[in-house]
Amino acid sequence: DAGVTQSPTHLIKTRGQQVTLRCSPISGHKSVSWYQQVLGQGPQFIFQYYEKEERGRGNFPDRFSARQFPNYSSELNVNALLLGDSALYLCASSSSGIRDTQYFGPGTRLTVL
Amino acid sequence: GENVGLHLPTLSVQEGDNSIINCAYSNSASDYFIWYKQESGKGPQFIIDIRSNMDKRQGQRVTVLLNKTVKHLSLQIAATQPGDSAVYFCAEKDKAAGNKLTFGGGTRVLVKP
Repeated sequence: DAGVTQSPTHLIKTRGQQVTLRCSPISGHKSVSWYQQVLGQGPQFIFQYYEKEERGRGNFPDRFSARQFPNYSSELNVNALLLGDSALYLCASSSSGIRDTQYFGPGTRLTVL
Repeated sequence: GENVGLHLPTLSVQEGDNSIINCAYSNSASDYFIWYKQESGKGPQFIIDIRSNMDKRQGQRVTVLLNKTVKHLSLQIAATQPGDSAVYFCAEKDKAAGNKLTFGGGTRVLVKP
């Protein structure tokens, strides 16, 4: 079975630009969560979506937004990129999105110049 | 905010020896704890989890211990192998926070041949 997949693998942008990251959850999983991992630190929660609805939001500015599609895949959008947005963006999927294990994808490495 | 932290940033262990990775948490409302392993360039990989109504849980070569009195979590790896070299994160969930995971800063485990 395929695990969580994310695209692209790497991305380089300049300050002020916008970026869209994509995630496909494990087959049968209906919840997707997004995390930001700055080098040398643990992942920080950004969003959780379940059945296309936002179920949780971390302490990130409004420049960060996300959505979930009917097939349960998800996109994370970041507008007006800052240098500090450079990080590994991780997507995690879980079955019901309530109290079950989250399985992570390989991440998208975003570099903002 | 509440954080999950680790005592030791780096742990060097001889191949074949047992490893113990420690984690302190501060949110007394946390009721679910997970250990993840993250290899270079990859997303976090689920190792083992434990709920707050348990003190100990065993997996294959790994054991997680939870001491709620002192808010302490540990991961024991038996017969450490070169493939165990990675960064290990503990994470916790608070029932009130839904499916959000709060990660600590990680411990790097280096296995010496």
